Amino acid sequence: ETGVTQTPRHLVMGMTNKKSLKCEQHLGHNAMYWYKQSAKKPLELMFVYSLEERVENNSVPSRFSPECPNSSHLFLHLHTLQPEDSALYLCASSQEGVQSANTEAFFGQGTRLTVV
Amino acid sequence: GEDVEQSLFLSVREGDSSVINCTYTDSSSTYLYWYKQEPGAGLQLLTYIFSNMDMKQDQRLTVLLNKKDKHLSLRIADTQTGDSAIYFCAEMRYSTLTFGKGTMLLVSP
Repeated sequence: ETGVTQTPRHLVMGMTNKKSLKCEQHLGHNAMYWYKQSAKKPLELMFVYSLEERVENNSVPSRFSPECPNSSHLFLHLHTLQPEDSALYLCASSQEGVQSANTEAFFGQGTRLTVV
Repeated sequence: GEDVEQSLFLSVREGDSSVINCTYTDSSSTYLYWYKQEPGAGLQLLTYIFSNMDMKQDQRLTVLLNKKDKHLSLRIADTQTGDSAIYFCAEMRYSTLTFGKGTMLLVSP
């Protein structure tokens, strides 16, 4: 256990469905991240939240919508996804703001998403 | 090309040493990391090295950094079957991690 918990672990959804992925961390960190891991591609950073504000959005399609209601919880809302969105979605958290320190990121186990 | 590059596959015998290589492109990266991902699991931090270091040893793991060539390697001594996993190299830039595609390490008995 890394202190970062993701639910569900597996999700199958149709292209017209709406679903949400949840991430929770109890490490006292102030930054949370969503990553996408597809086969044969590097890990892709999707969203960064620092102090509950989104600080980066790497041109992710609008069918992915993040939400960070507080520093311990992060959601990824999914709507009208495509089959190519099938991937492992990883959540991570870290303590940001101390430039000289090692900002180690702790990862959850991921949600395996299949879009049919 | 990719920012962080790794070979995709490495096969070794149990008891041998494994060396996984990585190249990165941003000389301003402050920290470089090695993560391990076992099947069905998330990423687990194995070790990291600060950019002003050349080498770091942690039990069976040795990290070598050649900053001039932007080359990072992870050596696993006495590799065990439990070391079979995907190993990701990552660099820290502006508080964001950039990962390579990962190297699948297969350890045979």
